[in-house]
Amino acid sequence: QQQVKQSPQSLIVQKGGISIINCAYENTAFDYFPWYQQFPGKGPALLIAIRPDVSEKKEGRFTISFNKSAKQFSLHIMDSQPGDSATYFCAASIRGQGGKLIFGQGTELSVKP
Amino acid sequence: GAVVSQHPSRVICKSGTSVKIECRSLDFQATTMFWYRQFPKQSLMLMATSNEGSKATYEQGVEKDKFLINHASLTLSTLTVTSAHPEDSSFYICSATNRDNIQETQYFGPGTRLLVL
Repeated sequence: QQQVKQSPQSLIVQKGGISIINCAYENTAFDYFPWYQQFPGKGPALLIAIRPDVSEKKEGRFTISFNKSAKQFSLHIMDSQPGDSATYFCAASIRGQGGKLIFGQGTELSVKP
Repeated sequence: GAVVSQHPSRVICKSGTSVKIECRSLDFQATTMFWYRQFPKQSLMLMATSNEGSKATYEQGVEKDKFLINHASLTLSTLTVTSAHPEDSSFYICSATNRDNIQETQYFGPGTRLLVL
């Protein structure tokens, strides 16, 4: 019940296309859903995050869509660029537990020029 | 803001020696710090959670006597890999939550690559 399932494992997108990564969870106590971007040999960097009281959040080319009833959330990268090539992790946490995150398995995104 | 540093970035050591990795929150006070281990092309595996001034809480299967964690202040936590062996070679990443951030967002350090020969 503590798992966060992420798909796909890898994704290849043409430059200018839309990259979509999906995550699903079971624990309805989760109340914070961040996405992290990780380049090879680097630590993850917070990209965008959402709470379950909103259905969508947009920051630049990055949008999180959240479906509370389906217990699913997704990351959309519009106008994907080669510089977006990285591994993306979704995560979930429960406020009051010190920020402990449950991570998805990760998606390796490759944007072809 | 919310910058976390790690030192060293890379370390090579001989089998049987101990290695210490430092994690610092540079511009905020960290309520909690986390230590992760990551193997190539895999997700982050939480090893332990530490709070300033108290003992770390280790995840199941993580040897607390092998991976010593000290959280001496609100800006510094250290991970010591004792009697390191080649199977301990990995990418170790720390993170910290900002005491003033109600959402408890985790900010990650750049990671430390450990190679045990």
